[in-house]
Amino acid sequence: EAQVTQNPRYLITVTGKKLTVTCSQNMNHEYMSWYRQDPGLGLRQIYYSMNVEVTDKGDVPEGYKVSRKEKRNFPLILESPSPNQTSLYFCASSLSFLETQYFGPGTRLLVL
Amino acid sequence: GQNIDQPTEMTATEGAIVQINCTYQTSGFNGLFWYQQHAGEAPTFLSYNVLDGLEEKGRFSSFLSRSKGYSYLLLKELQMKDSASYLCAVRGGSNYQLIWGAGTKLIIKP
Repeated sequence: EAQVTQNPRYLITVTGKKLTVTCSQNMNHEYMSWYRQDPGLGLRQIYYSMNVEVTDKGDVPEGYKVSRKEKRNFPLILESPSPNQTSLYFCASSLSFLETQYFGPGTRLLVL
Repeated sequence: GQNIDQPTEMTATEGAIVQINCTYQTSGFNGLFWYQQHAGEAPTFLSYNVLDGLEEKGRFSSFLSRSKGYSYLLLKELQMKDSASYLCAVRGGSNYQLIWGAGTKLIIKP
């Protein structure tokens, strides 16, 4: 089944404790992206990747890191999480950056 | 600047028709998407418009007017499962990234 997977789905952590949210797609998509979604706000892009080893900042990259060493994986790293990073995070992928994006199930993060 | 406006919330009756509007101001334009998002779930793709006019897909239709910076999503024969948020997204700006509206929460009443 063609899909985007994310892990973990739910995470509670404390300020400053490094964490990684994994994202993987099995559709051979070149483009991958991370978003955060907060109440009353639209999806905001954190980082995106046009292809392997090519990543760039979105609208809200501060406090986040990404890497794209393989086509299928695009992990999101929070080196020192803070409470303002409490949010619902979505990974998405598409054949190219112009094509329709398909979303993973989301990761709900709470930083205490 | 870049801006997308959608109503925050709408209410409709099961079996009826509802139109959700989206207006946008972007420095470039390369398509408009509509997504459906049930509470706590991932957005799922509904429709894509890049040329003016109406695109019909079953009970859902989407319309675009590029000159007016305007789109609407039309949902017919509403069902309870259509209760969800509907997100409008425009591909625009200098780097053609997706710009998202805050979404319209649609409540369906029996």
